[in-house]
Amino acid sequence: GAVVSQHPSWVICKSGTSVKIECRSLDFQATTMFWYRQFPKQSLMLMATSNEGSKATYEQGVEKDKFLINHASLTLSTLTVTSAHPEDSSFYICSARRQGFLGTEAFFGQGTRLTVV
Amino acid sequence: RKEVEQDPGPFNVPEGATVAFNCTYSNSASQSFFWYRQDCRKEPKLLMSVYSSGNEDGRFTAQLNRASQYISLLIRDSKLSDSATYLCVVNPFEDQFYFGTGTSLTVIP
Repeated sequence: GAVVSQHPSWVICKSGTSVKIECRSLDFQATTMFWYRQFPKQSLMLMATSNEGSKATYEQGVEKDKFLINHASLTLSTLTVTSAHPEDSSFYICSARRQGFLGTEAFFGQGTRLTVV
Repeated sequence: RKEVEQDPGPFNVPEGATVAFNCTYSNSASQSFFWYRQDCRKEPKLLMSVYSSGNEDGRFTAQLNRASQYISLLIRDSKLSDSATYLCVVNPFEDQFYFGTGTSLTVIP
């Protein structure tokens, strides 16, 4: 079963509105979660690293005031796309790492397909 | 130079064929390597980890060549259900994962 749950799976919103995406680790605690964005026919691009109890770390070129990240608990991180525009339409995926016997394994949420109209 | 480079394909192969993907990485200190599978509009899912000695899981074989800094994935006896995008992932640091662009595979009846 899924170990990382992401919600919603898809959302359509009007330009100028804000959208919140939730990412939950279901059976383990994740002090760090990662947010990726994927445009069609492109690879996953890391947007930011979400740290529980502290500020997120954003990758170069990602606007922190536009993509608000909150990691208030060990099992939940949220990404809010503020004042969304059509160019923000993309597939957003969160990820959390879990330490196993053979090393660190990355688990992904189901992804959120955002369409801004 | 990109951290991870991968041929995007597409690879179109008939059922039953053997197909191989390669992926090169730039950080020679990288320790962990993975192949993920991503179906259209879905999240990536771990297919297999890549170990130094190479590893096999059914029809799938993963190899690591540290000298040339590449990893490979071999799929034997391709099935229609193998059609997907295969992402190679390199983990050079504790919390840093780098993804290739993915290789698109279509298995044709």
